[in-house]
Amino acid sequence: DIQMTQSPSVLSASVGDRVTLNCKASQNINKYLNWYQQKLGEAPKLLIYNTNNLQTGIPSRFSGSGSGTDYTLTISSLQPEDVATYFCFQHNSWPGTFGAGTKLELK
Amino acid sequence: QVQLQQSGAELAKPGSSVKISCKASGYTFTSYYISWIKQTTGQGLEYIGYINTGSGGTNYNEKFKGKATLTVDKSSSTAFMQLSSLTPDDSAVYYCARGTTDYWGQGVMVTVSS
Repeated sequence: DIQMTQSPSVLSASVGDRVTLNCKASQNINKYLNWYQQKLGEAPKLLIYNTNNLQTGIPSRFSGSGSGTDYTLTISSLQPEDVATYFCFQHNSWPGTFGAGTKLELK
Repeated sequence: QVQLQQSGAELAKPGSSVKISCKASGYTFTSYYISWIKQTTGQGLEYIGYINTGSGGTNYNEKFKGKATLTVDKSSSTAFMQLSSLTPDDSAVYYCARGTTDYWGQGVMVTVSS
């Protein structure tokens, strides 16, 4: 199975900061990479699909980029409601695999 | 609006089985397959497999073969997952999701304890 490594595991940032979360695959995943936001007690919510496509209804401050094995989720201006854990997921190879998550906190 | 409504929490004894449901609404059920995902604190998120809601065909993560059985009832737009021979390691929150996971159910907590 493809291993997905997210970094950092915990990130503290201030409101208004530009925040970057990373996800590295153990092999090329051809941009089949999704990002999810999970708030405490809730189901994950899709933010970005296939590297850089914003899911309907998601604020434009979220964006994704990457290729090959390295992918990034960027929040251009952190808002209080963005406090959550963020997961990446590759669906290029069977079975799909998730990263362990980055917990985003307010400083 | 797309909704996936899952059944309620389950408390089960080791060795038993549970069957959880996922009722879809707000879209054409047979146009998307249903995925199932397991979430635990220790192992994180794991993709169990999916069912083709039109044909009933399934594809399982090797790790969950023999543990999970996916079925579907097109007449009620409901997908099901049965978990068998339960052990404490099966205690988790189980989610259904549409297709490649664009919409998720609210999750079902399964607790396996004697």
